[in-house]
Amino acid sequence: GAGVSQSPSNKVTEKGKDVELRCDPISGHTALYWYRQSLGQGLEFLIYFQGNSAPDKSGLPSDRFSAERTGGSVSTLTIQRTQQEDSAVYLCASSFLDRQYEQYFGPGTRLTVT
Amino acid sequence: QKEVEQDPGPLSVPEGAIVSLNCTYSNSAFQYFMWYRQYSRKGPELLMYTYSSGNKEDGRFTAQVDKSSKYISLFIRDSQPSDSATYLCAMNVKGGGNKLTFGTGTQLKVEL
Repeated sequence: GAGVSQSPSNKVTEKGKDVELRCDPISGHTALYWYRQSLGQGLEFLIYFQGNSAPDKSGLPSDRFSAERTGGSVSTLTIQRTQQEDSAVYLCASSFLDRQYEQYFGPGTRLTVT
Repeated sequence: QKEVEQDPGPLSVPEGAIVSLNCTYSNSAFQYFMWYRQYSRKGPELLMYTYSSGNKEDGRFTAQVDKSSKYISLFIRDSQPSDSATYLCAMNVKGGGNKLTFGTGTQLKVEL
């Protein structure tokens, strides 16, 4: 079946602009995760959505970052007033609720802030 | 100190060699251990996951966990040029919010 999809694949934006990144998880997966991958930093957890429960936002680096998940499926990560240090690959993953160790990743959105 | 340490490489081996990739960790609460493969400009692909200490085999891949030493390994037998990628270890704590904690990845190149 279809895997996790993300859009856009690449985004170049000017410092100070807002950006929206989209994730469409695997059908039937009720858990959804956002990670950020920077050069030399590995993958860094950002936020986790579990079914209808309140999201775990403990990894969001600042209040400029927010995310929502509508209808238990598609998720949008929003970065306001982008900074150059926000440049990274933003990865979305999904899993079944009881198999959180089996997270399947999308191809990522490469964000460049100029 | 990072919770998960992984040698970044690069590691270069000839085709057909046995490859050993390793991670160490400091958090004894980690219970699940995963290995991901990531090709350039692609998302990570789950290769294997293990729960307990010991070995788990899947084709040419063997994952090994030693909880007493806080050390995990991934062995690749009969390595192929198509195995050239970055290999990431990941771990999580059962009931710990479901986030994965990743190593920084080891870059592997298998040469003809």
